Amino acid sequence: NAGVTQTPKFRVLKTGQSMTLLCAQDMNHEYMYWYRQDPGMGLRLIHYSVGEGTTAKGEVPDGYNVSRLKKQNFLLGLESAAPSQTSVYFCASTGTAQETQYFGPGTRLLVL
Amino acid sequence: SQQGEEDPQALSIQEGENATMNCSYKTSINNLQWYRQNSGRGLVHLILIRSNEREKHSGRLRVTLDTSKKSSSLLITASRAADTASYFCATEGNYQLIWGAGTKLIIKP
Repeated sequence: NAGVTQTPKFRVLKTGQSMTLLCAQDMNHEYMYWYRQDPGMGLRLIHYSVGEGTTAKGEVPDGYNVSRLKKQNFLLGLESAAPSQTSVYFCASTGTAQETQYFGPGTRLLVL
Repeated sequence: SQQGEEDPQALSIQEGENATMNCSYKTSINNLQWYRQNSGRGLVHLILIRSNEREKHSGRLRVTLDTSKKSSSLLITASRAADTASYFCATEGNYQLIWGAGTKLIIKP
């Protein structure tokens, strides 16, 4: 039981490049979330999903897209990376919204 | 938008001392959660306290909830170096959690 995993762990992009971050969970959770965390700050919600095939915008969705084609996977895409998207990205999942969330180890993204 | 606000923003204490951090929130809640984040890593759930509970314990952790004051506190007793981390409170929003900015706790040897 791996819990929540994220790939890659670290990535460097040039401005304008695109990439996809993958989050996978093996707990059969309905709800999945993508957050970003900037140095010394709390979490900000980018997008979330309440079930397979659904997505919704969070607090800071601009510049990101997501897809939840399979229940266990939640993908976060950056179509044209900008330096302002340099951050640590965390994925989380839960079986019941508003209760305990289980986090992945994070992806560090540096956009030059 | 942030529902929970932790206080203090940073706390530095000697190993063995108790650490107390507070969380205030704005609207009525069904539950409040506390999480720990070690440097650069994912958050780990510590305790969930429901609105009809006033106090909850887990090992060296004690959480209180005062719904009349819309506040919660997290007490860590007999602190250890391994408790050095950031601590976040979270309250429920619409299909999501609303996070505070966190308290950074440093335990000095």
